Amino acid sequence: GENVGLHLPTLSVQEGDNSIINCAYSNSASDYFIWYKQESGKGPQFIIDIRSNMDKRQGQRVTVLLNKTVKHLSLQIAATQPGDSAVYFCAENTGGFKTIFGAGTRLFVKA
Amino acid sequence: DTEVTQTPKHLVMGMTNKKSLKCEQHMGHRAMYWYKQKAKKPPELMFVYSYEKLSINESVPSRFSPECPNSSLLNLHLHALQPEDSALYLCASSQPADEQFFGPGTRLTVL
Repeated sequence: GENVGLHLPTLSVQEGDNSIINCAYSNSASDYFIWYKQESGKGPQFIIDIRSNMDKRQGQRVTVLLNKTVKHLSLQIAATQPGDSAVYFCAENTGGFKTIFGAGTRLFVKA
Repeated sequence: DTEVTQTPKHLVMGMTNKKSLKCEQHMGHRAMYWYKQKAKKPPELMFVYSYEKLSINESVPSRFSPECPNSSLLNLHLHALQPEDSALYLCASSQPADEQFFGPGTRLTVL
C-alpha cells in the first residue's frame, strides 16, 4: 500500500553544520514530493518540492534529492541554524488532491 | 494574501456539544482540506473539497461533517465527539496537485 516513512525519528546537529533528513516512499506511481517544516504550535510550512521528472532541486539553503530507483527522498539543509529546529515531514502526492505525510523527523540544532 | 486562517485557535467541548471549526483562504485556491494531527504524529487527511465539491472522504466518522459554503470558506461541524477525537485540526488549501498552504490549526479538546 501507500507508505511514506522516514529512516530517523530525531536528528541532532551542531549549528553551522549541514543536515540531511531522509525519507522512503513505496508508491512508484507518485509524481510529486514535498517537504514541510512544522514548528511547535504551528501548521506545516512548505519548504521545497520536486516532481518525478527531476532528481534534484535547490532552494535557499535547502536541496531536495529524489532517487526514483530506490524510492528515496532527502532534504539537505546547509549551514543549519537554531531557527531550523522543527519537525520535518516528507509528503507524497499520489495524483490530484491526495497527499500522504511521512512519520516526521525532529531536528535539534545545538548552539 | 498568502494566509490560511482558522478559528477558533482552541476549543474545549463536551461529548454532547455541537461546535464548528472555520477556515478561510483568499488565494484563489480551488482545493481545501481538513487534516487531523495527534501529538508527535503526521497530519492525517480527513476531507478534500475541490471546486466546492467533496472529492475525498477518508472514511471519517459521521460525527465530523464538512461544509464548503464557497470557494474561500471551509467548515467542519462537530457533534457527539469522543475524547479520542482530541487533536489539532488543520485546514489547508492549494491548487490541484500543488503545494498546500496550512493554517495554524485548531487545538480541540473533548471532555
